[in-house]
Amino acid sequence: GAGVSQSPSNKVTEKGKDVELRCDPISGHTALYWYRQSLGQGLEFLIYFQGNSAPDKSGLPSDRFSAERTGGSVSTLTIQRTQQEDSAVYLCASSREGGAHYEQYFGPGTRLTVT
Amino acid sequence: TQLLEQSPQFLSIQEGENLTVYCNSSSVFSSLQWYRQEPGEGPVLLVTVVTGGEVKKLKRLTFQFGDARKDSSLHITAAQPGDTGLYLCAGGHTGGFKTIFGAGTRLFVKA
Repeated sequence: GAGVSQSPSNKVTEKGKDVELRCDPISGHTALYWYRQSLGQGLEFLIYFQGNSAPDKSGLPSDRFSAERTGGSVSTLTIQRTQQEDSAVYLCASSREGGAHYEQYFGPGTRLTVT
Repeated sequence: TQLLEQSPQFLSIQEGENLTVYCNSSSVFSSLQWYRQEPGEGPVLLVTVVTGGEVKKLKRLTFQFGDARKDSSLHITAAQPGDTGLYLCAGGHTGGFKTIFGAGTRLFVKA
């Protein structure tokens, strides 16, 4: 079946502009995660959605970052007033259920470059 | 703050050599996962270990979870160019959802 898809694959934007990154998880997966991966770094947790529960936003680095998940499926990560330090690869993952033991299936990521 | 430290950060070896990469923490984890990430792609799960002292084998890859569940190792026998990639360890806790990722070991296997 189809895996996790993300769009766009690459995004170049000017400092100060807003960007929206999209994630289509695997159908039926109840948990969805967003991570950020900077060059040479591991994955930094941003936000977690589980079913209809309130999302855990504890990893969002500032109030310029927000995310939503509509209908328990597609998710959008929005970065307002982008800064150069926001440049990174943004990865989305879904899993069958929420919980650290479950396998997370990752999308290919969106490479964001802020100029 | 829980951290997972991976070593070495970078490893370049010849095809056919053996290697071991390490993942260490001062914290206890209920489970530990190893992922491999290739350029331009997201990480792909290789294995999950949940019991202290557990050893799992996946073809030429051997994974071990430390007795105290604070560390893990990945051993690759007779490395091949196809093993090239970024190897990430990730720790989790029972009942929790958050996975803590290490910074990874970047492996390059030369033909």
